[in-house]
Amino acid sequence: GQNIDQPTEMTATEGAIVQINCTYQTSGFNGLFWYQQHAGEAPTFLSYNVLDGLEEKGRFSSFLSRSKGYSYLLLKELQMKDSASYLCAVMDSNYQLIWGAGTKLIIKP
Amino acid sequence: IAGITQAPTSQILAAGRRMTLRCTQDMRHNAMYWYRQDLGLGLRLIHYSNTAGTTGKGEVPDGYSVSRANTDDFPLTLASAVPSQTSVYFCASSDGSGGQDTGELFFGEGSRLTVL
Repeated sequence: GQNIDQPTEMTATEGAIVQINCTYQTSGFNGLFWYQQHAGEAPTFLSYNVLDGLEEKGRFSSFLSRSKGYSYLLLKELQMKDSASYLCAVMDSNYQLIWGAGTKLIIKP
Repeated sequence: IAGITQAPTSQILAAGRRMTLRCTQDMRHNAMYWYRQDLGLGLRLIHYSNTAGTTGKGEVPDGYSVSRANTDDFPLTLASAVPSQTSVYFCASSDGSGGQDTGELFFGEGSRLTVL
């Protein structure tokens, strides 16, 4: 079956760096997405990786290794507003999105 | 700019009742989707539509139906609600030309449905 694994919850300190990992096993691969979802709100797009390597976008970076079925989202200079759930999703060979359950990130002052 | 609008925001419904969740987008996106989100689970696709006039079944379609009469509207209907359909429902759209291909998803704010 298809599976996306990411930690359920992580805690980090304001101003620090945190890395949220995502491993996947899917039928084919057509890209990996990261979304941010604040409590009670809709998910919003953060990043898309289809080739191996690091994509940097401001304080957020996303890394992909297709051979390892692995991605991470790196958040730098954490701010209280970064407290949210981070959703990893993989597009399989049928262009269907498979979603992880999300990682709830708690930022402490 | 509204993006995607869902209604109602929340609803409590008696089991056995019929319910339609409305979704309207003003971005002229071809593809639209309905997901449900439950605690501890990833988003699960209920139904999708690649373009006006076509619909397809997702991962968990049973008990739900959709229609796509035009580009903007994509209502989701529960013909006879059951408690297991208690969830948060998200409508989404993308400008991909087919399937959920490349391109980010834009989500509505969600509809919280409780079936008693």
